[in-house]
Amino acid sequence: SQQGEEDPQALSIQEGENATMNCSYKTSINNLQWYRQNSGRGLVHLILIRSNEREKHSGRLRVTLDTSKKSSSLLITASRAADTASYFCATDENSGYALNFGKGTSLLVTP
Amino acid sequence: NAGVTQTPKFQVLKTGQSMTLQCAQDMNHEYMSWYRQDPGMGLRLIHYSVGAGITDQGEVPNGYNVSRSTTEDFPLRLLSAAPSQTSVYFCASSYYRGRGIGYGYTFGSGTRLTVV
Repeated sequence: SQQGEEDPQALSIQEGENATMNCSYKTSINNLQWYRQNSGRGLVHLILIRSNEREKHSGRLRVTLDTSKKSSSLLITASRAADTASYFCATDENSGYALNFGKGTSLLVTP
Repeated sequence: NAGVTQTPKFQVLKTGQSMTLQCAQDMNHEYMSWYRQDPGMGLRLIHYSVGAGITDQGEVPNGYNVSRSTTEDFPLRLLSAAPSQTSVYFCASSYYRGRGIGYGYTFGSGTRLTVV
């Protein structure tokens, strides 16, 4: 069943601002991943953070993981219009490898 | 270009018809999976496989069959299409090195299926 839940469901910001999305899950995980989906396209893998890691960076992306709170956050710094997309978190809670996806956060970045 | 190829991109079926959604990857990934994406529901796992000859059910397997005869291919069969199977279907693949060792998925571009 779906485990990761993103918050907020929708986020609207202006170019140059930072965007923060949160993800919560219910049981123990080995890793948590974030994906981006542009309208009408497949998902693209952004970043993977393992349960023994607390923070990870990739370009303008910063992901944190708090296993005690069972939550993660994705920060996109200096947002651009091209960052407009849906963002999903996914965890391997149930099987240790098959990913369960949340319902996503829809991000709109306006010029 | 290396990646996951899904065919067809669009399909309209009549209720009761059967069809196969194709998925092929050329990255030598052991793990392959099928998801369906519906508005407001996110992605739900249908079936997955950790290697040739091995398949398992996900969250919503009813009405779908899979087989994995080769590493490259993981077709999804709709046995008797129903309007509730109207959805966008995504195939995804990744390396598999055992439970708990995660890798990022590579997704196909999706098949948009309408059952009337």
